[in-house]
Amino acid sequence: QVQLVESGGGVVQPGRSLRLSCAASGFTFSSYGMHWVRQAPGKGLEWVAVISYDGSNKYYADFVKGRFTISRDNSKDTLYLQMNSLRAEDTAVYYCAKDSLIFGVVSTRGNDYWGQGTLVTVSS
Amino acid sequence: QSALTQPPSASGSPGQSVTISCTGTNSDVGGYNYVSWYQQHPGKAPKLMIYEVRKRPSGVPDRFSGSKSGNTASLTVSGLQAEDEADYYCSSYAGSNNYVFGTGTKVTVL
Repeated sequence: QVQLVESGGGVVQPGRSLRLSCAASGFTFSSYGMHWVRQAPGKGLEWVAVISYDGSNKYYADFVKGRFTISRDNSKDTLYLQMNSLRAEDTAVYYCAKDSLIFGVVSTRGNDYWGQGTLVTVSS
Repeated sequence: QSALTQPPSASGSPGQSVTISCTGTNSDVGGYNYVSWYQQHPGKAPKLMIYEVRKRPSGVPDRFSGSKSGNTASLTVSGLQAEDEADYYCSSYAGSNNYVFGTGTKVTVL
């Protein structure tokens, strides 16, 4: 069965960095685009970034451009999110989510599997 | 990219229907037939309920249906059941490989 397990969250001071990981299993990881989506406490979902199945294309929400970097290691079936210059408003549960469309260029079919999320708290 | 607009809450009695709207612009909802809907129970990860406006993933009951008119997409839950009580979010492709979620709607089964 498909499993996505995030890790790496925690408490970090403003301006510092953190790297999240998402270990995938139960499907051919290298065939699907992957997303990061976040949810601030008590708030709605917010799309953060997407990476293509082969890692050649990466796209970001405006509010993280230049600060966050999405990457993947298909040999390890693992997705990453490097977060730099963190701000208090980045405090959220971060989910990794699998794209539904195999070898998709654009994510047209939504995200069919999600991890349980990892909490990032940015506070001094 | 601004969040898509959803009503904060909706409710219905068991067996009734509830419809949730999701309003965007010509640059997202109105420009593409790539609207998805997610159900999220408290403390849980979102679950895909509808994709490409009206298509249901395998395993999603046919009580859930989607539609779109202009810049507004809608999710209808027919034959409401207690387990349908949850938060619902729409999502749309917004061009240039950007995506946007809705503000979320809390559905209460009375």
